[in-house]
Amino acid sequence: GQQLNQSPQSMFIQEGEDVSMNCTSSSIFNTWLWYKQDPGEGPVLLIALYKAGELTSNGRLTAQFGITRKDSFLNISASIPSDVGIYFCAGQLEAGGTSYGKLTFGQGTILTVHP
Amino acid sequence: DGGITQSPKYLFRKEGQNVTLSCEQNLNHDAMYWYRQDPGQGLRLIYYSQIVNDFQKGDIAEGYSVSREKKESFPLTVTSAQKNPTAFYLCASSIFAPITGVPGNTIYFGEGSWLTVV
Repeated sequence: GQQLNQSPQSMFIQEGEDVSMNCTSSSIFNTWLWYKQDPGEGPVLLIALYKAGELTSNGRLTAQFGITRKDSFLNISASIPSDVGIYFCAGQLEAGGTSYGKLTFGQGTILTVHP
Repeated sequence: DGGITQSPKYLFRKEGQNVTLSCEQNLNHDAMYWYRQDPGQGLRLIYYSQIVNDFQKGDIAEGYSVSREKKESFPLTVTSAQKNPTAFYLCASSIFAPITGVPGNTIYFGEGSWLTVV
């Protein structure tokens, strides 16, 4: 299946620091989603992006849909201990082909925040 | 409360057994999905259904089966043909599929079910 490259794989930061992670693909996507997953729980949607160039914020979180439509980033400002978890990007390929209707997920970024 | 309910949360399977994971949603969503998650990896799509009485194989459908007899229910059976079934299974739904470019039509997940082979 299609692959999304998500980086970094893990991050260890101090409380109060800003965080940035991104996803890239060789294919064009027309929807990008960012999720957070706590251990043993299902992913929770953080931000959804639907247009190239779109920049969307949700509290301390900001995400952008790259203008090439092959990448997206997520920034977390002023991190706090409850930001700990696994962050996933997910993309929806353009219409057509066998992948239509399916999301592709990145491998996840494990975030650890030290108080 | 509206949402996606998965059961059981924890399930143990003996070698050679089939087991069924339940997924129920009361969001009135047309589309439902099953994903598998292994440690340190992203989510991989097993099956999805865009509408009642219809479903499609995902990327790793071998050893699994599903049914979609009702809009709100999408059970997943892990058969004995699945050689490495130990994983975290996630059910999800969306208003409709595909989710492309329609604000508000995103995928929502249940809380997951842990399956362990003993």
